[in-house]
Amino acid sequence: NAGVMQNPRHLVRRRGQEARLRCSPMKGHSHVYWYRQLPEEGLKFMVYLQKENIIDESGMPKERFSAEFPKEGPSILRIQQVVRGDSAAYFCASSPPRTSGSVLPAGELFFGEGSRLTVL
Amino acid sequence: AQTVTQSQPEMSVQEAETVTLSCTYDTSESNYYLFWYKQPPSRQMILVIRQEAYKQQNATENRFSVNFQKAAKSFSLKISDSQLGDTAMYFCAFMKPYSGAGSYQLTFGKGTKLSVIP
Repeated sequence: NAGVMQNPRHLVRRRGQEARLRCSPMKGHSHVYWYRQLPEEGLKFMVYLQKENIIDESGMPKERFSAEFPKEGPSILRIQQVVRGDSAAYFCASSPPRTSGSVLPAGELFFGEGSRLTVL
Repeated sequence: AQTVTQSQPEMSVQEAETVTLSCTYDTSESNYYLFWYKQPPSRQMILVIRQEAYKQQNATENRFSVNFQKAAKSFSLKISDSQLGDTAMYFCAFMKPYSGAGSYQLTFGKGTKLSVIP
């Protein structure tokens, strides 16, 4: 059973270009989360998506950043007109649906290996 | 909003010795989940151990155990018989109970860099 797959692992962009990061969740998982890790920092929540729906984007910058999780294909985090401050590792995580009152099994949130974005 | 604080940016331990990593958090919730994640140089985030706040018993996973002090809002990780493969960044994380949207949102500390010395 393949884990969460992210690509590319490394991406270099010049200021003003666009960056697209892809995430394929684990088989059977319909929920995707994107986190950003700045240098010397912990991961910070950006956005939570289910198939074709953005559920919570409270951690995502209002401008230049967007995310989608189409019915078919991977989830995509898109950063337009990148700036040096966007340089970071971007992690995707996936999970099965969670229901009210359910006990959270160990390791239910599965992380990918991350995509490292470098903006020159 | 929840906050998670790891006050030890870096630590080192001799191989086979025991080390304890500290974590404190702040929340108004009464029921929640706490986690320790390991991030080795490969940068993969690996779940080490988790604790449900409603459980008084401290969680253990092989050489890893926690000391959960709910009243003090403290959640430390003890690694026994340290091994070279334990060298990594360790992140403490907090998750709120289920409340609908964003229910899997984790709040992370800044991490502790652990080096195991041969």
